[in-house]
Amino acid sequence: NAGVTQTPKFRILKIGQSMTLQCTQDMNHNYMYWYRQDPGMGLKLIYYSVGAGITDKGEVPNGYNVSRSTTEDFPLRLELAAPSQTSVYFCASTGTGSTGELFFGEGSRLTVL
Amino acid sequence: GENVEQHPSTLSVQEGDSAVIKCTYSDSASNYFPWYKQELGKRPQLIIDIRSNVGEKKDQRIAVTLNKTAKHFSLHITETQPEDSAVYFCAASKGGSYIPTFGRGTSLIVHP
Repeated sequence: NAGVTQTPKFRILKIGQSMTLQCTQDMNHNYMYWYRQDPGMGLKLIYYSVGAGITDKGEVPNGYNVSRSTTEDFPLRLELAAPSQTSVYFCASTGTGSTGELFFGEGSRLTVL
Repeated sequence: GENVEQHPSTLSVQEGDSAVIKCTYSDSASNYFPWYKQELGKRPQLIIDIRSNVGEKKDQRIAVTLNKTAKHFSLHITETQPEDSAVYFCAASKGGSYIPTFGRGTSLIVHP
């Protein structure tokens, strides 16, 4: 089991550019999440999904989009990148009927200049 | 929605001392309270969790206590070691929701 895999690990974007952060899990988890982590601010939920074809907004969805076409994949799209989106992004997953523990990817550090 | 407050934001202790991190939550329907440890540059990982039908849970040097009436829960680490240095996050969620709300984190520094 690879668990939750995120790519890329690091990326520098220019203002106005777009990119997609990839996330895939091999644990057959139905719940998947995207969080951003800013220094001293904890983990803020951007979007989540309770299963293929279903997504919903979290606390800070503006400037982002997601899709969930398969159980395994949950990509996060940044459109028109802004400096405020400079952050570390974590993808996570868990399964219904599990303890509720979230399994996190290694994170993607994004810098927008 | 749920609001989780975590204190202190930074905690500095000497090796061998105990460390206590406290969290409060607002939604009385929350019933699952995990704690995650995040070492520098790494991903958060679950270290211990507690459900609302239990008041205390221990795992070697770490323990979590829950006071449902007061809506607060705490992480206790005894005999701290330098490898305990990390950021610790508390979280709260309601049964069946699987959408935890996280506290802002506590940076624990253990001095040798």
